[in-house]
Order: sequence, then C-alpha cells, then structure tokens
Amino acid sequence: DAKTTQPNSMESNEEEPVHLPCNHSTISGTDYIHWYRQLPSQGPEYVIHGLTSNVNNRMASLAIAEDRKSSTLILHRATLRDAAVYYCILRGTTDKLIFGTGTRLQVFP
Amino acid sequence: NAGVMQNPRHLVRRRGQEARLRCSPMKGHSHVYWYRQLPEEGLKFMVYLQKENIIDESGMPKERFSAEFPKEGPSILRIQQVVRGDSAAYFCASSLTAVSPTGELFFGEGSRLTVL
Repeated sequence: DAKTTQPNSMESNEEEPVHLPCNHSTISGTDYIHWYRQLPSQGPEYVIHGLTSNVNNRMASLAIAEDRKSSTLILHRATLRDAAVYYCILRGTTDKLIFGTGTRLQVFP
Repeated sequence: NAGVMQNPRHLVRRRGQEARLRCSPMKGHSHVYWYRQLPEEGLKFMVYLQKENIIDESGMPKERFSAEFPKEGPSILRIQQVVRGDSAAYFCASSLTAVSPTGELFFGEGSRLTVL
C-alpha cells in the first residue's frame, strides 16, 4: 500500500470548519482514499472514502485533488466531540488497512 | 445491531502468564482483523482471519502469538508467556465483504493488556 503524509497535529475552534490535509504522491490508479478517526480510548471509526470525485456524507466531506496526489478531509463545523486522531489511508487490492500516525485534532471551546 | 464486541476490556497479567482476548464480530460479518496499538503510537496490523482460516498473518510476531476464528464462537487472540512489551491496546475489527478496497471496517472498543 502506498504511503500517506499528514501533519502531526492541528487545532481548531468550536463551530469553525477544519481542513485536514493528506499527501499521497505515490497513489496508484486503483487505490481508494479512506479516512478513519480514533476518539480517545476508543477504537477507530470510519469517516469517509473516495476514489476520484469529491464525496460528502453526514460526518464530513472529502476533497480529492485532480491528480489524486493529495486530499483534504473537511469537517464543516468542528465540535468538541470531533477531537480525535484522524488517519488518511490508501486502500488498494489488499484487504487490510495500514494506519500511519495520523493527525491529532484539538478543538477548543 | 450490536457492534464489534471485545472482552475483556482490561486485562492484567504477570510476566509469563497467558492472555486471551476475544472478539465477536458484527452480526453477519465473517471477516476479522486484529490490530495492536502501543502507547502513543498508531495501530499496527497483526492478522486477518475468515471463519476457520487465517488469510494474512504478516503482522503477527513469530513466537507466542496466535489467532483463531472458529466456525462457532468469537475470534481469539492468544498471547503466551507475556512480557512487558506486550502491554498495549488490542483492537478487533470486522467487515462484511471480502477483499474490497471500498469496504468499511468496524472496530471494537479494544482490550487493554497490562503486563506487570
């Protein structure tokens, strides 16, 4: 699986939008971009995934660059409950998810 | 529909003892994954199992660790002769589909092993 690069940490204020970047310059044509997050003392939970087009769901939006070498997870209005470690993962034909170190998001009231 | 259930949530063992961690996947899921998370680190893949089969154990330590997913009952991760370095959170995940780059994994709350 190709490697992703994310900032170690980011901060946001409550009610503000958050843009979490991910670089994946060695992505292959069949790799899907997945995002999971891990709240403190919990297991990871699925957030969103996409291939080429931007995606929206009830939790977040995923913006994928045209060349697919980077993507951005967008939380439209951060809440305190969004404080977590966010993992950007490329998933190809292998069935396992390979987690990196992720971005630790802090949200301030 | 209950989520992935792991037990025990917390387990304390002395060096040299055995640890058994159990994972019941979501209803209808026949694919189970185990991950280990050391303190302040990311999750590391250990093993992927389907019912009665180990599909990928590339992340399992060669000694002392074993996993099974029997036809009936939960998946078991077994650690023999535990050492302090085995202290970690062990997460189980399950999925409905096999070998799919789009499938979602559902994780349990984890089992936290402390070795004294």
